[in-house]
Parts: sequence; structure tokens; C-alpha cells
Amino acid sequence: DGGITQSPKYLFRKEGQNVTLSCEQNLNHDAMYWYRQDPGQGLRLIYYSQIVNDFQKGDIAEGYSVSREKKESFPLTVTSAQKNPTAFYLCASSISRGGDEQFFGPGTRLTVL
Amino acid sequence: SQQGEEDPQALSIQEGENATMNCSYKTSINNLQWYRQNSGRGLVHLILIRSNEREKHSGRLRVTLDTSKKSSSLLITASRAADTASYFCATEYGNKLVFGAGTILRVKS
Repeated sequence: DGGITQSPKYLFRKEGQNVTLSCEQNLNHDAMYWYRQDPGQGLRLIYYSQIVNDFQKGDIAEGYSVSREKKESFPLTVTSAQKNPTAFYLCASSISRGGDEQFFGPGTRLTVL
Repeated sequence: SQQGEEDPQALSIQEGENATMNCSYKTSINNLQWYRQNSGRGLVHLILIRSNEREKHSGRLRVTLDTSKKSSSLLITASRAADTASYFCATEYGNKLVFGAGTILRVKS
């Protein structure tokens, strides 16, 4: 089956720890995205990548980092510098451009204890 | 902010009724997209309408776009309990999609 996988589904972190969220796609898409969703709100873009070894900051990149070493993978690290990391994190991909239809993973819910 | 805004914020209807959600945006667009999100899940793409299109259908979904008013509407006909979800519009801005806050639809059986 083609699609996007995210792991883990639930993640608990102590304050001061970095955590990495996994995102993998087998759709052969060039572009990948990370969004953050808070309760009752829409999605806010954290980072995006349109090609391997290149990525750009989105609207709320502070306290987050990414890498894009392979076309299929776009991991997100939530660092201790992110002041309020508890949220639902969604990864998405599209064929090439941000304006294309985006395909989403099932999400990771991160809770800081 | 270039965010689209959906209205109403929440909508509760009976099964079989039609549901209409609206989206307004601020700048010129190439296309506008609608997505659905079931509780605690990822988003699913429903329909994309381009700026030169006025209406588009997909099954029980009908989307209209009025670029002069910078607005779009999503109509779900003959709603079902399974349509209960949040619905988001998204517009392209600077090669990124910008999502609205969504409309929560509850269909009562």
C-alpha cells in the first residue's frame, strides 16, 4: 500500500528532552511537510522540504529541526527549546509543489510531562 | 495572516440533511482545497478547485468558488453519521498551503 506512516502514534517526553518524530512515505513524492495542530485549531506549518537535502522554515519553526537525507524520510526533532511542545503533529507529502494535493500521515500526539 | 476562515465553527444536523460550510480567504489564489479530518486522525483530501473554476462536484460533495468575493463553500448532500468530522479549507500562499481553523460537523442519526 502506498502512503505515509508516522511513528510513534503517542509520545511522552519529559521537559528538557529532545524527541524525534518519524515520517516515511512511499508515494515517490518530492515535497514533504510538518504541521502542528493544537486543540480546536487549524494546521500550522513547521518545516517543509521540496527536494532531498533542502528544507525551509515554515511559520513556527522555532524549537524544531528537520533533516531530509532521503526522499522517503523527513524526521522532525522537537528540541528542548520548544516552549510548548504538547500538540498533535502531522506529516504530509505532495508530488512537487505546496499547492498540490497533500497526503497526510495518521499523526503523532506528543505530550510533555 | 493569509489564513482562510471557515464558518460556521460548528454545525449539527440530522442524518439526511444537507450541510454547508463556507470559507473566506484574503489574497488571490491558484486553487482552493477542502480536507476532512476525523477525530485524532490525519487529514484526507476531498476536492481541489482551481481559480478559473466556479463549481466542482465529487459524489455527494459540491464545492463552489467565487473569486470576486474571495470565498468558497462546501456542500455535503444527504449527510450520513460517517460524515461527522472537521472540515478545513486550504489555500496556496507562497508555495505552501495555509489552512483555516475548520468547521466541526456533527451528523446525528
